[in-house]
Amino acid sequence: NAGVTQTPKFQVLKTGQSMTLQCAQDMNHEYMSWYRQDPGMGLRLIHYSVGAGITDQGEVPNGYNVSRSTTEDFPLRLLSAAPSQTSVYFCASRTGTGENTIYFGEGSWLTVV
Amino acid sequence: GDSVTQMEGPVTLSEEAFLTINCTYTATGYPSLFWYVQYPGEGLQLLLKATKADDKGSNKGFEATYRKETTSFHLETGSVQVSDSAVYFCALSDGRGYQKVTFGTGTKLQVIP
Repeated sequence: NAGVTQTPKFQVLKTGQSMTLQCAQDMNHEYMSWYRQDPGMGLRLIHYSVGAGITDQGEVPNGYNVSRSTTEDFPLRLLSAAPSQTSVYFCASRTGTGENTIYFGEGSWLTVV
Repeated sequence: GDSVTQMEGPVTLSEEAFLTINCTYTATGYPSLFWYVQYPGEGLQLLLKATKADDKGSNKGFEATYRKETTSFHLETGSVQVSDSAVYFCALSDGRGYQKVTFGTGTKLQVIP
């Protein structure tokens, strides 16, 4: 059982480049989300989705886009990378009813130079 | 809005010492409370949870009690091990609609032999 799978694990970008972080889950979870983790700031919600075709902004959405064309996939796009987007990114998913445990991917370490 | 406050780290303890990591929260309604653990280089994983007042969550020798009167959910263990070295996150789920999850900033624990 793969759970939540993120790729790539490590990436170095130049300022202004764009890229997509991939996320897939095989648990048929309705809810998916992207967080960034920065020292001293815990996890901050970037974007989330409550089902295929539905996305919404979290706390820190600027500079990021998402889409949810299928239940399984929830890619995060950096439109024009900036050094302030250097961070560790986590994709997460959970079922939409009852059980509210969040399942996290292993993280993507992104450095923007 | 909702918030979670954790004691700052890092916390360094000798093996077999007693551990308490304080967590207090501010929320409206009836949140569920969680402790997540992040081992080096990995994503977050659920350690324990409690869904209503006076519930006690426990797992892997750790426990925490949901105290509504003091709005707290302190994590404790009677004997830490080197393998418990990790970052611990307190979190709450607001129990409404999407059930937004709010994380604390994390407390790094280092256990020395």
